Amino acid sequence: DQQVKQNSPSLSVQEGRISILNCDYTNSMFDYFLWYKKYPAEGPTFLISISSIKDKNEDGRFTVFLNKSAKHLSLHIVPSQPGDSAVYFCAASANNFNKFYFGSGTKLNVKP
Amino acid sequence: GAGVSQSPRYKVAKRGQDVALRCDPISGHVSLFWYQQALGQGPEFLTYFQNEAQLDKSGLPSDRFFAERPEGSVSTLKIQRTQQEDSAVYLCASSLGSAINEKLFFGSGTQLSVL
Repeated sequence: DQQVKQNSPSLSVQEGRISILNCDYTNSMFDYFLWYKKYPAEGPTFLISISSIKDKNEDGRFTVFLNKSAKHLSLHIVPSQPGDSAVYFCAASANNFNKFYFGSGTKLNVKP
Repeated sequence: GAGVSQSPRYKVAKRGQDVALRCDPISGHVSLFWYQQALGQGPEFLTYFQNEAQLDKSGLPSDRFFAERPEGSVSTLKIQRTQQEDSAVYLCASSLGSAINEKLFFGSGTQLSVL
C-alpha cells in the first residue's frame, strides 16, 4: 500500500519555463515532507523540505507548496534549467515514525 | 570523507551466494537508514539504526536480510542465499540527529545483480 504517490512518471519542460511536480499522500499523520533530486548512478540529494505548520517554503528557484486538506504537495522550479533534468522524489514522515516513505519519482527533462 | 560512502559500487552474485554491503555514514551522524530501490521505483525502507541500536527493522523483506552497526558508525547489510528478486540498488543514508524531521544524506548506493 503506497502511502506516497507521484502519478506522473515523466515531465518535459522548455528551458526557462516553470516545472511543476506533484505528490499525493494518504497518511494524515505525515507532518514532514522532503523533495530529493537524483541523477543517474548517484544517490538522491536533498532539495527542499516543508513541515506541516507551513503551506509554502521557498529556496531560490525551488518552492514547495503543501495542501494538507488535499494531502497534496507540489514542487515548483522557476525558471527551469537543463541541469534540473533528473528524477525527483517526494518523501514524507512523521515525528513518531522511524522512516521516510518515498514516491516512485518523476523524471524531469528540461529541453534547451 | 565528506559524504556517505558505500561499497562495493556494483555487486554481481550467483543465486544462493551471500553478500555483504558496507556503508560509511557521515562522521558523527547518529541515524543510519538502509533503503532498497527497485528499477523504476522509489526507495523502500529496510531498517533504521540510532547509533548502534537497531530501532526498526520492519522493512527487511525476509530473515535472509540482516543489518548491523556494532560501533555506531559503519554499517553492514548482509543478504544470505541471494535470490533474483533481491536485485536492486541498496541505498544507505545518514542524518545528524535522532529526530525524524531531519534531512537524509544518501550514498551512491550498491547495485546488486543476482544471476
